[in-house]
Amino acid sequence: GQQLNQSPQSMFIQEGEDVSMNCTSSSIFNTWLWYKQDPGEGPVLLIALYKAGELTSNGRLTAQFGITRKDSFLNISASIPSDVGIYFCAGRDFGNEKLTFGTGTRLTIIP
Amino acid sequence: KAGVTQTPRYLIKTRGQQVTLSCSPISGHRSVSWYQQTPGQGLQFLFEYFSETQRNKGNFPGRFSGRQFSNSRSEMNVSTLELGDSALYLCASSLGLAGGHEQFFGPGTRLTVL
Repeated sequence: GQQLNQSPQSMFIQEGEDVSMNCTSSSIFNTWLWYKQDPGEGPVLLIALYKAGELTSNGRLTAQFGITRKDSFLNISASIPSDVGIYFCAGRDFGNEKLTFGTGTRLTIIP
Repeated sequence: KAGVTQTPRYLIKTRGQQVTLSCSPISGHRSVSWYQQTPGQGLQFLFEYFSETQRNKGNFPGRFSGRQFSNSRSEMNVSTLELGDSALYLCASSLGLAGGHEQFFGPGTRLTVL
């Protein structure tokens, strides 16, 4: 099935560092979503974006809907241990009710 | 408000068997979508049910089927299990069709096929 290109695949950072990850698509999306998945759990919605250029924050998380509608970015500032997990982007394109998910970014915090 | 619940959480089956997984959506949500998650393929959309009708379908063989009941609870069935069906099966509910409403995921059912 179709998937979004999400990078990086994994990140190893120290507590307190900032994190950036992004997703790109070959097609235009009208919605971008960012989810976090903890081990043994389902993905939890973090941020939803609905307009090109939109910048939305949720605590230490900030996400942007790219101007081209083909990409989105997620930033996490001052990472803490509970940020560990897998982050997924998901997009919804015009006329398609299905969500397409990115391949995920695994975030690990090094003690 | 209770979240999306899935039962069972873990399941072990052998090749050739069939399996039924259950999903109870958030109260008031009328749409249930099913996804398969594997390390190699990531999250793949299976199908979406709304008002007891299948509204969207992913690219999975006919061995994968589902249904939705009048109380919005949904079941998915996989017949003639193959080793490659081992995966985490997630369901997600939304107020309306997933195309216009945010989805909330359950914890998943981990299926292992031996």
